[in-house]
Amino acid sequence: DAGVIQSPRHEVTEMGQEVTLRCKPISGHDYLFWYRQTMMRGLELLIYFNNNVPIDDSGMPEDRFSAKMPNASFSTLKIQPSEPRDSAVYFCASSLAGEANYGYTFGSGTRLTVV
Amino acid sequence: AQKVTQAQTEISVVEKEDVTLDCVYETRDTTYYLFWYKQPPSGELVFLIRRNSFDEQNEISGRYSWNFQKSTSSFNFTITASQVVDSAVYFCALSGSSNTGKLIFGQGTTLQVKP
Repeated sequence: DAGVIQSPRHEVTEMGQEVTLRCKPISGHDYLFWYRQTMMRGLELLIYFNNNVPIDDSGMPEDRFSAKMPNASFSTLKIQPSEPRDSAVYFCASSLAGEANYGYTFGSGTRLTVV
Repeated sequence: AQKVTQAQTEISVVEKEDVTLDCVYETRDTTYYLFWYKQPPSGELVFLIRRNSFDEQNEISGRYSWNFQKSTSSFNFTITASQVVDSAVYFCALSGSSNTGKLIFGQGTTLQVKP
């Protein structure tokens, strides 16, 4: 299995621009998570989906952030308009409910820089 | 509320020394899961171990070992005979009884192993 695939790996954009981060979870996994990592706040959960349905978006910082999962193999996290304080590493992770001894698999992350 | 505390921000050791990374957690759930992840300089998050709240047996995997003590709400991680390749940020994380993977991360401990 190729693991969780995120694109792009790096994104540099200007303030005010729209940014879209993409994630392909592991085939068969029914949970998908978006996390953000910053020096100040560490790793924090933004939103997660179960069977493509958003379950908890309480971590989404503002209305500028939105996430979708149109099907079981694809999710996007969009920031519009982007601001310098959105600069962070964004991780996507997927898991299979009920697994006994398996960790949650993270993608390699997207490093976003907003200038 | 759930919380994970990693009091050690940074640890520096010389190669071949043993090192223990501390993790203290808070939860009201009776069923929960504890994790350790490694984040090497390349940035990805690598799953190391998952332990459920009903299994207090210590775990050993090569040079790595974990000590889970419910009485002190701790899940400490020991690296024996550390190596330079162990240099990374290590995160302890907690997930509540839903086991859906809504991970609460500690702030991480940066381990530097010097040759």
